[in-house]
Amino acid sequence: EAQVTQNPRYLITVTGKKLTVTCSQNMNHEYMSWYRQDPGLGLRQIYYSMNVEVTDKGDVPEGYKVSRKEKRNFPLILESPSPNQTSLYFCASSSWDADTQYFGPGTRLTVL
Amino acid sequence: DAKTTQPPSMDCAEGRAANLPCNHSTISGNEYVYWYRQIHSQGPQYIIHGLKNNETNEMASLIITEDRKSSTLILPHATLRDTAVYYCIVRVNQGGKLIFGQGTELSVKP
Repeated sequence: EAQVTQNPRYLITVTGKKLTVTCSQNMNHEYMSWYRQDPGLGLRQIYYSMNVEVTDKGDVPEGYKVSRKEKRNFPLILESPSPNQTSLYFCASSSWDADTQYFGPGTRLTVL
Repeated sequence: DAKTTQPPSMDCAEGRAANLPCNHSTISGNEYVYWYRQIHSQGPQYIIHGLKNNETNEMASLIITEDRKSSTLILPHATLRDTAVYYCIVRVNQGGKLIFGQGTELSVKP
């Protein structure tokens, strides 16, 4: 089954404790992206990647890092999480022309 | 980058057509209009996209004005399961960056 998976689905952590949210897709997609969703703000793009070793900033990249060492994986790294990064996070992928993006189920992160 | 404007909420009677408008007055010639929807807190779902011609698929129709400054998503026979937040997105094809509007919360009522 074609899908985008994220792990963990739920995470509660404390300020400053480094964490990684994994994202993996099995559709051989070149394009992958991370979004965060906050009440009243809709979805905002954090980072995206057009292909392996190619990443670029979205609208809200501060406080986040990403890497794209393999085509199927696009982890989101929070080196020193803060409470304002409490949010619902979505990973997405699509083919090279980014026609239809497939979204993962979401990761609900709480930073205390 | 072009921005989009959508009404925050709309109601529609079950079985009737739902017409969701989107304004993108600063759209460039190479930017596409995409529509996604999100049910509760699930991952957004692709609906349809177009450049300048009207488009139709099994889910919906997309009507883009001739000057491309606005568009309308049409759900021809709305059901209760169509209750969701609908996002109008303008993007440069192959450009990677997506710009989400605030979305329209569509409530389909019996």
